[in-house]
Amino acid sequence: DIEMTQSPSSLSASVGDRVNITCRASQGIREDLGWYQQKPGKAPKRLVSAASTLESGVPSRFSGSGSGTQFTLTITSLQPEDFATYYCLQRYTYPWTFGQGTKVEIK
Amino acid sequence: QLQLQESGPGLVKPSETLSLTCNVSGGSISSTTSYWGWVRQPPGKGLEWIGNVHYSGNINYNPSLKSRVTIFIDTSKNQFSLKLTSVSAADTAVYYCTRRAAGKPTEFDPWGRGTLVTVSS
Repeated sequence: DIEMTQSPSSLSASVGDRVNITCRASQGIREDLGWYQQKPGKAPKRLVSAASTLESGVPSRFSGSGSGTQFTLTITSLQPEDFATYYCLQRYTYPWTFGQGTKVEIK
Repeated sequence: QLQLQESGPGLVKPSETLSLTCNVSGGSISSTTSYWGWVRQPPGKGLEWIGNVHYSGNINYNPSLKSRVTIFIDTSKNQFSLKLTSVSAADTAVYYCTRRAAGKPTEFDPWGRGTLVTVSS
């Protein structure tokens, strides 16, 4: 199985901050990676597909980059509604695997 | 607008079979442009992909569950279902059903609200 390692596991940030979350794959996955946001008690919400394509309706302060084994989700100017847990998901090969999550908390 | 809703028992005894159904509304389960999937999340933990099914019969399961898991489509009811046999406490989780567009590099959307299944005697 491909292991997806996110860093950091958690972070504290203030409204208006720029936040970077990294996802590293244990082997190359081209750009077959997506990012999800999950708030407590809610289902995940898709943010980014194919490493860098913003899904419909997602604010432009979110962006994704990377290919191969290293990927980044960036949130520019963090908003109050962005405090949540973020997950990456590789769909390069089965079994699809998620990162362990990164919790973004209010500083 | 496509909507998904999980249903099934919230409590299952150890060694028994967990059975969940996902009702699809606003779209057809027979669509060739959709993969239907299940994802679970143990309390306080991360997400785990369980498997996907396509109307064509193409199915993929997580090998960690493969010997115990079955996902199938019921076109007459516009639903798809999950069965997980020989459950243990490790299978306690919120189970989500979801959909992914076929033929596109896009992610799971929409998702059901999730249903908590507790394995306990």
